[in-house]
Amino acid sequence: DTEVTQTPKHLVMGMTNKKSLKCEQHMGHRAMYWYKQKAKKPPELMFVYSYEKLSINESVPSRFSPECPNSSLLNLHLHALQPEDSALYLCASSQVTGTGLPQHFGDGTRLSIL
Amino acid sequence: GQQVMQIPQYQHVQEGEDFTTYCNSSTTLSNIQWYKQRPGGHPVFLIQLVKSGEVKKQKRLTFQFGEAKKNSSLHITATQTTDVGTYFCAGNNAGNMLTFGGGTRLMVKP
Repeated sequence: DTEVTQTPKHLVMGMTNKKSLKCEQHMGHRAMYWYKQKAKKPPELMFVYSYEKLSINESVPSRFSPECPNSSLLNLHLHALQPEDSALYLCASSQVTGTGLPQHFGDGTRLSIL
Repeated sequence: GQQVMQIPQYQHVQEGEDFTTYCNSSTTLSNIQWYKQRPGGHPVFLIQLVKSGEVKKQKRLTFQFGEAKKNSSLHITATQTTDVGTYFCAGNNAGNMLTFGGGTRLMVKP
């Protein structure tokens, strides 16, 4: 069982749709991350939030919009996605963003763009 | 930017055989982490290495960090079917940003 909960587990959407991915953790972690993982590839970092503020954006297209409403929640808003955006989207958290702290991953949302 | 290479990409072993995956970074790392991802699952933290030349063991798993802190290895003794999955090393930079290696997918034949 994972301590980081992601919803939905699966999402199919058209290129004109707007949807949101949600991530929740109750471990008191103050750093949260979004990763994108294509099949048979490693996770790629998209965004880092530290104390509810966006600290790193790895040059992600604006059709992905992250939001951190509070210390337990992290959202990823999706709009006008492309077929190549189909992937597993993983949320992770760590105590803070100091180096060397383990990251705890959720099960991910498997996203398919039609 | 930092690059982390991992070999081999795939490894098929007979149950009971040993397995090793190797990780090399283009830059010196402050520390390195190892994660395991089961098929259909998510990455799970295994261990972190910090010191030059460090060796850590977890049951049948042995992790090493090179003297120059640019390479690392994971060795599994006497593999079991429960070891199946993809093993990722991840170089760690300031801000706890992880740069993952490409992963080694381990398949174990019973």
